[in-house]
Amino acid sequence: GNSVTQMEGPVTLSEEAFLTINCTYTATGYPSLFWYVQYPGEGLQLLLKATKADDKGSNKGFEATYRKETTSFHLEKGSVQVSDSAVYFCALSILLTGGGNKLTFGTGTQLKVEL
Amino acid sequence: DSGVTQTPKHLITATGQRVTLRCSPRSGDLSVYWYQQSLDQGLQFLIQYYNGEERAKGNILERFSAQQFPDLHSELNLSSLELGDSALYFCASSPLRLVSSTGELFFGEGSRLTVL
Repeated sequence: GNSVTQMEGPVTLSEEAFLTINCTYTATGYPSLFWYVQYPGEGLQLLLKATKADDKGSNKGFEATYRKETTSFHLEKGSVQVSDSAVYFCALSILLTGGGNKLTFGTGTQLKVEL
Repeated sequence: DSGVTQTPKHLITATGQRVTLRCSPRSGDLSVYWYQQSLDQGLQFLIQYYNGEERAKGNILERFSAQQFPDLHSELNLSSLELGDSALYFCASSPLRLVSSTGELFFGEGSRLTVL
């Protein structure tokens, strides 16, 4: 089946530190890959996405590259800020028979950024 | 603001009771998804509706049911509630062009259900 594995948190960093959150996936077919972010008390928001191998998604200083050979989609940011503190979810999407599609999420990684 | 509206935001009820959660998708989105988020299970896909029809089913219990109405809003019905049903229930909608969509979902802020 389709699944996503991401590193467990919480990850605690100092402001301006480099961030990597690992994500690997298992999927049949050719999924699209996503990172979603959930700030405290809010719903999930799309952070970035990549729809095919070697695509790089980027947004708000975050980047992730779709690596088919390693089935990975690691999230990186060069310099984190306190405002980046949130829970980050890696996800994949597969089109289903009948035209439906669903997102399968990883367990989420909590990031805490301290001054 | 994602454009997806969920009500109620918070709900406290007792075991054995029944509740209904409501979701209004983004304008123009035909597809609605329900997810359950709990501390021990993470984010679990429950069910998807597309233009009024059920399209995909995930880990949804038989005590739970959902439907999508002609105006495209959706309701998730939870019955014979148990303590373990306490969770955050998210609704999400997806863009109109479903088949060519890359699967991006727009989430509401969730309905927090507490079963005592």
